[in-house]
Amino acid sequence: DSGVTQTPKHLITATGQRVTLRCSPRSGDLSVYWYQQSLDQGLQFLIQYYNGEERAKGNILERFSAQQFPDLHSELNLSSLELGDSALYFCASSEGGTPKGPNYGYTFGSGTRLTVV
Amino acid sequence: AQSVAQPEDQVNVAEGNPLTVKCTYSVSGNPYLFWYVQYPNRGLQFLLKYITGDNLVKGSYGFEAEFNKSQTSFHLKKPSALVSDSALYFCAVRDSNSGYALNFGKGTSLLVTP
Repeated sequence: DSGVTQTPKHLITATGQRVTLRCSPRSGDLSVYWYQQSLDQGLQFLIQYYNGEERAKGNILERFSAQQFPDLHSELNLSSLELGDSALYFCASSEGGTPKGPNYGYTFGSGTRLTVV
Repeated sequence: AQSVAQPEDQVNVAEGNPLTVKCTYSVSGNPYLFWYVQYPNRGLQFLLKYITGDNLVKGSYGFEAEFNKSQTSFHLKKPSALVSDSALYFCAVRDSNSGYALNFGKGTSLLVTP
């Protein structure tokens, strides 16, 4: 167990639908990062939140959005789903900012496998 | 943006032989570099990182990596490969232009044969 919890592990849904993926960061980590892993695009950074606020955006589609709640868990919302959105979605957490000690790092959850049919 | 490149899609090595998985980086300033491993249908597991200090970094499962500033490389190495090392390996760099998110290489598939 990495300390980062992602639910659900698997999700199958139809095109046009909306889903929500959930991530609980490792205890003490303030930053949450969302990634999409697909065969053709590799590991793509989507979006980052730090202590409740959006900090950076990567290759995130307008149909996708995220938020981080006061308890620091984060949700990634995917809407108007298309077949091409089928992928493994990872959440990672870190303490955020510049390294403050030797334990600085990024911890990944086990991912949510989304299949759009 | 800060980036890394993994020039090999696949590396094949016989069990017991040394292995190297290559990574080069393009970074302005001091690089923060990481190696992760992904087993089938699993998440990313941290192997090792370079932030500062010794150029030879030792990590999990007997892996190590050498930071070479002049060649802008951070190759992953292991003296003696195991069949169980067969997996997908990712090099990553912390991108200060993207909220300190990690930018990943495309990954290298390592196959260790008995």
